[in-house]
Amino acid sequence: DAKTTQPPSMDCAEGRAANLPCNHSTISGNEYVYWYRQIHSQGPQYIIHGLKNNETNEMASLIITEDRKSSTLILPHATLRDTAVYYCTTTQAAGNKLTFGGGTRVLVKP
Amino acid sequence: DTEVTQTPKHLVMGMTNKKSLKCEQHMGHRAMYWYKQKAKKPPELMFVYSYEKLSINESVPSRFSPECPNSSLLNLHLHALQPEDSALYLCASSQGHGENTEAFFGQGTRLTVV
Repeated sequence: DAKTTQPPSMDCAEGRAANLPCNHSTISGNEYVYWYRQIHSQGPQYIIHGLKNNETNEMASLIITEDRKSSTLILPHATLRDTAVYYCTTTQAAGNKLTFGGGTRVLVKP
Repeated sequence: DTEVTQTPKHLVMGMTNKKSLKCEQHMGHRAMYWYKQKAKKPPELMFVYSYEKLSINESVPSRFSPECPNSSLLNLHLHALQPEDSALYLCASSQGHGENTEAFFGQGTRLTVV
């Protein structure tokens, strides 16, 4: 699976959009991009995933560049409860080797 | 039911003890995982079971012994652990086939080895 690179931390104002970047320049054609988050002392929580098209669900939007070498997770209206570590990862369809890189520690401030 | 249940939530054990961590899911998932997480670090993959067979062992020391008695249960048997094995142990499950491989995680067992 492709190695991912994320900024170690970022702050965001409550109510504003949070844009979290991820580089996955070695991603292969059959690998999906997945995003998870981990709120303090809890297990990671799935957010969203995509292959090459942009995706949106009730939690977030995922923008994948045309060359698929990077992606951005967008939290449209950040709340204090979105304070967490956000992990970007890649995995093949039906692939079961889910591994995590360093993640981005997001602090949402009032 | 989209829960992965882990027991116990907390465990303190001595270096000569034998204990087991348990994980259960009823989502019909056929892939189950064990992770180890130290403070302020990402989860590290330890083992993956696929259709009740061990498919991935990330060079984990033999003092950790996984077991998958059936498709809903996953155990991690612990023996002769070291203090540095103290960590949060997370279990997860996923469909194991098809496009959607999002994993569902339990809340973890916080293990302290004394």
